[in-house]
Amino acid sequence: EDKVVQSPLSLVVHEGDTVTLNCSYEVTNFRSLLWYKQEKKAPTFLFMLTSSGIEKKSGRLSSILDKKELFSILNITATQTGDSAVYLCAVGSRAGNTPLVFGKGTRLSVIA
Amino acid sequence: DAGVIQSPRHEVTEMGQEVTLRCKPISGHNSLFWYRQTMMRGLELLIYFNNNVPIDDSGMPEDRFSAKMPNASFSTLKIQPSEPRDSAVYFCASSRSGGGETQYFGPGTRLLVL
Repeated sequence: EDKVVQSPLSLVVHEGDTVTLNCSYEVTNFRSLLWYKQEKKAPTFLFMLTSSGIEKKSGRLSSILDKKELFSILNITATQTGDSAVYLCAVGSRAGNTPLVFGKGTRLSVIA
Repeated sequence: DAGVIQSPRHEVTEMGQEVTLRCKPISGHNSLFWYRQTMMRGLELLIYFNNNVPIDDSGMPEDRFSAKMPNASFSTLKIQPSEPRDSAVYFCASSRSGGGETQYFGPGTRLLVL
């Protein structure tokens, strides 16, 4: 059974800190790993990773995938209170029409 | 481009009533997903459609839940009869195809069953 495990479950940091969120997975015939940010509403797409070792970057956020060790990390540097959210990791499979499998998320709280 | 559209945005109803949630996917997307999210259980996939055909409904909690997709631009999720434990946020998402493609979420319907 496909599985996604995120850690930590929750995290509290001060503004300006750097955080690393972890996502490990088991999936049949891996195709992609996606990161979403969810504030008080719907999840919004951040990154999609398909190749190992290639960093995706958007401003202070970056993510990298390790297909050998079956994990990904999401880094946020110089955190701001607006980064407070639940960050969801999901994996996709090439096997037929299987949907994304989501992890439970990491709840990040950034305090001033 | 319009994103995924859901209605209503909020619904408050009494136990035993029928609830119908609606979703319009992004034009050109062939796959549509219904999720339920609660604090306790996180994001759960209920059912998904590919080219209007239900592919996997194993996440549907019980017979009180049903979903339809009569055409490529419209889907409904119905709960009949509703119960307090159905209170949650229900998201609809769509993607170009089902095979691991990026899913784009609608704003959700917040359902409260009293």
